This record gives sequence, structure tokens and C-alpha cells, in this order.
Amino acid sequence: GDSVTQMEGPVTLSEEAFLTINCTYTATGYPSLFWYVQYPGEGLQLLLKATKADDKGSNKGFEATYRKETTSFHLEKGSVQVSDSAVYFCALRMGGADGLTFGKGTHLIIQP
Amino acid sequence: EAGVTQSPTHLIKTRGQQATLRCSPISGHTSVYWYQQALGLGLQFLLWYDEGEERNRGNFPPRFSGRQFPNYSSELNVNALELEDSALYLCASSRFGGTDTGELFFGEGSRLTVL
Repeated sequence: GDSVTQMEGPVTLSEEAFLTINCTYTATGYPSLFWYVQYPGEGLQLLLKATKADDKGSNKGFEATYRKETTSFHLEKGSVQVSDSAVYFCALRMGGADGLTFGKGTHLIIQP
Repeated sequence: EAGVTQSPTHLIKTRGQQATLRCSPISGHTSVYWYQQALGLGLQFLLWYDEGEERNRGNFPPRFSGRQFPNYSSELNVNALELEDSALYLCASSRFGGTDTGELFFGEGSRLTVL
């Protein structure tokens, strides 16, 4: 079946550091890809998305590019802030009966 | 436009009791998904409702059940509660189910604690 693999962390960085969270997927077709963020005590918010190969999703300084050849959707940010501390989930959707298929989540901790 | 709303925010029950969680999707959305987020286990798909019908369920026992009402709101029932049912239950909606590949919109969740 479809699956998503991402680094689980926790990932601890200093403020203004460069961030990369790796995400790779396995799917039988061409899914839409998403990054969701969960701040402490809250639900999931959509951070960015890409619906086809070579699309780049971006929001709040975060970017991710849909790479079909490497089945990847890595999340990057050039300069992280303490307020970026959260759990980040990579996910795919094939349009089937399961809704979104999620990775296990990456806990990001940014230290001042 | 109101987002996905869930109630209650917190719920405390004892083993063996029943819990009922409620979800109102975004206006115009017909599909509702339920996920369980237990500590250390990530997000597990529970149930999918679309147009009032249960369309799919994840790998959970039958004591997890629910329904979708004509106004597309939904409730999740958990019978014979066990300690391991303690989790954050997230509801999400989308405009369509089935072949839709768009994002899901999530509520803030209902935190169930079983003592």
C-alpha cells in the first residue's frame, strides 16, 4: 500500500539555522503531497502542498518540491525561528478511501 | 467561513464507559474523516464518511463506530473504553471524498483520557 517515510527526530536546531526534513513516499500512482504542522496542543494545519511533479509548494518561508524521480518531498527553510517549534507531518493523498496517508511526524525544536 | 469544529475539547472517562465525540465539517464539505493520534503512534486512520455512508474504516475494532448526519456532521462513538483508547481524536473534512486529491481540513481535536 501507499506509505510515507520521514525522519522522526526530535530535530534540535538553533535559531536562524537552515532546516531540512526529509520525506519520501511510496505510491502506486501520482499522489498529491502535503506538509502539515501541529503546534503544541493544537490540531493539524496545512503548511504547503504540491499536486504534480516538479511543483514547488511554499508558505511562511518553508518550501518543498515534488520530485517524482526520487519520490521525495523534502521540507526546507532557510532560517528557522523559535516559533517554528512544532511537529511536522508529511502526507500523501491518492484519492482513495483512506484520505491522507501520513508519515510518523518530525518533532522540531528550535533553541534561541 | 467557519473551520472544522469538534466537541468536546477534553473528555475524561473510566474503563468500560462509552465516549461520543462530535464533528462539524466546513460548510459544503461532504466527506468526514476520523483519525486517532495516540502518544508515540502517529496518526492512524479510523473512519471515513461520505454522503451519510461509512465508506471505509481503518484497522480498529468494531467498538469504534460512528455515523454521519444529513447535515454532514459526524459523531464517533467508542464503546467499552480501554486505557489505550486515550488519545487525541482528530476530525477532518474535504469537499469530496473518493477521487478527491485535495487537502483535508482538520479540527482542533478532542482529547479523550481513559482512567
